[in-house]
Formats: sequence, C-alpha cells, structure tokens
Amino acid sequence: LAKTTQPISMDSYEGQEVNITCSHNNIATNDYITWYQQFPSQGPRFIIQGYKTKVTNEVASLFIPADRKSSTLSLPRVSLSDTAVYYCLVGDFLPGGYQKVTFGTGTKLQVIP
Amino acid sequence: ETGVTQSPTHLIKTRGQQVTLRCSSQSGHNTVSWYQQALGQGPQFIFQYYREEENGRGNFPPRFSGLQFPNYSSELNVNALELDDSALYLCASSSLGEKLFFGSGTQLSVL
Repeated sequence: LAKTTQPISMDSYEGQEVNITCSHNNIATNDYITWYQQFPSQGPRFIIQGYKTKVTNEVASLFIPADRKSSTLSLPRVSLSDTAVYYCLVGDFLPGGYQKVTFGTGTKLQVIP
Repeated sequence: ETGVTQSPTHLIKTRGQQVTLRCSSQSGHNTVSWYQQALGQGPQFIFQYYREEENGRGNFPPRFSGLQFPNYSSELNVNALELDDSALYLCASSSLGEKLFFGSGTQLSVL
C-alpha cells in the first residue's frame, strides 16, 4: 500500500484559503486519492476523491499533478468550523477491490479567528 | 449524519475480558469495515466484510474477529482484551468500491 506523508499541523486565519499537500511517492496505477475530515470523537467524513488532474466539489478542490506522487487539498475561505484533522488516503477503490485503506497521522488544521 | 450507527458509544472493560461492538450499515451498503483509532493516531484498518465474508484484513491478531449479517449489519469481537486495545473503534459502510461512510465510533477503555 502506498504510504502517505502530510504536515502534522497547520494554522490559518478565518477567511483564508488553506492548501494541505500530501506526498504518496509509491502510488499504484489503480490507486485513487481520497481526503477525509475528522472532528474529535467522531468518525472521518469524506471530503473529496480524485485520480488525476483537478477535482472540485462544493467544499473543496483536489489538485493532482501528472506524476500523481503528491496531491493538494484546497479549502477556500476556511471558517472556525473547519478546525479538524484532515487525512490523505491512497487506495484501490475500483469496484471489486477491497478498501484496505491506510490512514496516516493526518494534518491538524487550526483555524484562528 | 452518515446513517451508520454504532453501539455502545462508550464501554469499559478489564484486561482479559471479551467485548462485542455493533454496527448498523447505511441503507443500500453491502460492505462493512472496522478501524481502530488510538489517541492521536489515524484509524488503522482491522478488516472488511463483503456479503458476510471477510475479504480483507489488516495487521491485527486473530483475537480480533467479526461477523456480517444478512442485513449487512456487523459485529466486531475482541477476545482476551489487553490494555493497548483501548481506542476508538470505527465502523464504515460502503458499496464495494465506493467511498466509506463512518459511524461515530465506540470508545473502548480497558483497565
């Protein structure tokens, strides 16, 4: 399984854009990149998933370069409620594959008023 | 709300005892996976069940076992509890190959 490396923590002021980068040098051809958000005492919540280039949804964007060895989660205009731990996952999510995913230690984002 | 419910929310056991944790999947999901999350760490994959069969397992000893029922709900059983088993246990349901929906977890304390 591809190992992921993220910064341990980040601080940001409210209203700013936050970019969290994840390294996954050993990503396999069938692997997708997925980001989850976790608040204390809750289970992780799906944010966004992608395979290559750029993916955008209502809460975030995911940028993946051509070599796929890294990815960047972009959160526009963060608010205090975005304070959480963010996990980058790399795994085979193709139909028929089992989702033995490996969470790293995540990035603890602290949004400051 | 993900539609994945876990019970109980908190549990205290003593070393050597056995514990059963329960998970109800989101409607329409046929796959359940279990994770252990120690304090300050990311969730670690224990195993996954698809159509009542275990089809993937992480690096956990055999005293961690599970079941999936015809209605796709699931149980995690841990025998001979050790102090290091104290953690948040998370259940996630999905359709095979699709994104995971997590419950809020069961906080297990082993004394």
